[in-house]
Amino acid sequence: DSGVTQTPKHLITATGQRVTLRCSPRSGDLSVYWYQQSLDQGLQFLIQYYNGEERAKGNILERFSAQQFPDLHSELNLSSLELGDSALYFCASSVEPRETQYFGPGTRLLVL
Amino acid sequence: AQTVTQSQPEMSVQEAETVTLSCTYDTSENNYYLFWYKQPPSRQMILVIRQEAYKQQNATENRFSVNFQKAAKSFSLKISDSQLGDTAMYFCAFMTLAYGGSQGNLIFGKGTKLSVKP
Repeated sequence: DSGVTQTPKHLITATGQRVTLRCSPRSGDLSVYWYQQSLDQGLQFLIQYYNGEERAKGNILERFSAQQFPDLHSELNLSSLELGDSALYFCASSVEPRETQYFGPGTRLLVL
Repeated sequence: AQTVTQSQPEMSVQEAETVTLSCTYDTSENNYYLFWYKQPPSRQMILVIRQEAYKQQNATENRFSVNFQKAAKSFSLKISDSQLGDTAMYFCAFMTLAYGGSQGNLIFGKGTKLSVKP
């Protein structure tokens, strides 16, 4: 158990819908990262937050957004969902941006 | 831009034997970390080992060790005394420490699927 929690574990939804994935970092970690793992693209970095502020964006679609709240938990919002958004979404956390990242168990999203 | 290449999509090893997984990377930076993560069938991403680029000494963690060749940009993982529980996808990852938008983001290779056979 890494100490990073993600909910829900599984999510099944329809095209065009919107979902919210939630992540709670390890105690003491200020940095949160979101990654997408799909068969086509492998593991890709989406977005990084540090102490509530967005620090970096990767290959994140405009239909996706995220935020980190004052209690340091983070949410990833996916809207206008398409079949291709089906993937495993990981949250990771670290003490600060230059430290080892520990991953949550992931949220498996299936868009039908 | 940094890239990470794992040239072995699949490998297998007999229980108790030793296996080495390969990873090469491309970067113009001098200050970075390299990682190996393991993803068993449960799909959880588990840290195996970390190597700091400024350290010449190769990192070790119990049965796991790396061969870090900075000039060659090579970072292989050796698993000794392989166990059935080592069966997993193994991902090599690069993280820059240089200040900027990429700092702290992990860049992953495509993975090597390792099967440990009894």
